[in-house]
Amino acid sequence: AQSVTQPDARVTVSEGASLQLRCKYSYSGTPYLFWYVQYPRQGLQLLLKYYSGDPVVQGVNGFEAEFSKSNSSFHLRKASVHWSDSAVYFCVLGDSNYQLIWGSGTKLIIKP
Amino acid sequence: DPKIIQKPKYLVAVTGSEKILICEQYLGHNAMYWYRQSAKKPLEFMFSYSYQKLMDNQTASSRFQPQSSKKNHLDLQITALKPDDSATYFCASSQGDRNERLFFGHGTKLSVL
Repeated sequence: AQSVTQPDARVTVSEGASLQLRCKYSYSGTPYLFWYVQYPRQGLQLLLKYYSGDPVVQGVNGFEAEFSKSNSSFHLRKASVHWSDSAVYFCVLGDSNYQLIWGSGTKLIIKP
Repeated sequence: DPKIIQKPKYLVAVTGSEKILICEQYLGHNAMYWYRQSAKKPLEFMFSYSYQKLMDNQTASSRFQPQSSKKNHLDLQITALKPDDSATYFCASSQGDRNERLFFGHGTKLSVL
């Protein structure tokens, strides 16, 4: 069965430091993958998506993610975080039936 | 201006009562969805509609009934409310019905006492 695992419930990073949020998926077919972000007291917004091609995809606000088929991963990265990046980040797997499987989310805390 | 409007933002209900959560989208999308987010669970898909027709229902309980009076409306009626129904309910929409990109409302936070 397909699944998405975000192993870190919370990640704390200093402002200006680099960031990696981990995402592992389990799916036998060809996945399509998303990262969504939920800012405090708001709905979720799409950060980036991967369907095929270049395994590194660029998103909004300087975020990027790298798809690895061999590692079944889709980690999110940012070179230098800002306090406004504080939010909950969700990794999402789409299957061949266009069903979405959501990870449990990682809360990102930015230290001043 | 928000393109997906959910009303109300906050809702308090007593056990056993019935409430309707309102969702309207002004993005011209053809598909609409309901999701639930509770403290102890990840985001949970409930329903999807496309052109006002039910496409998928992942909610076990018949106490949850979506209602689509117009293409850009998808309300959620919840009957016989229980404390476990306490959660934030998000409405979302997409252009097509293949989940390529979802746009979410700000949610309705429901508390059942």
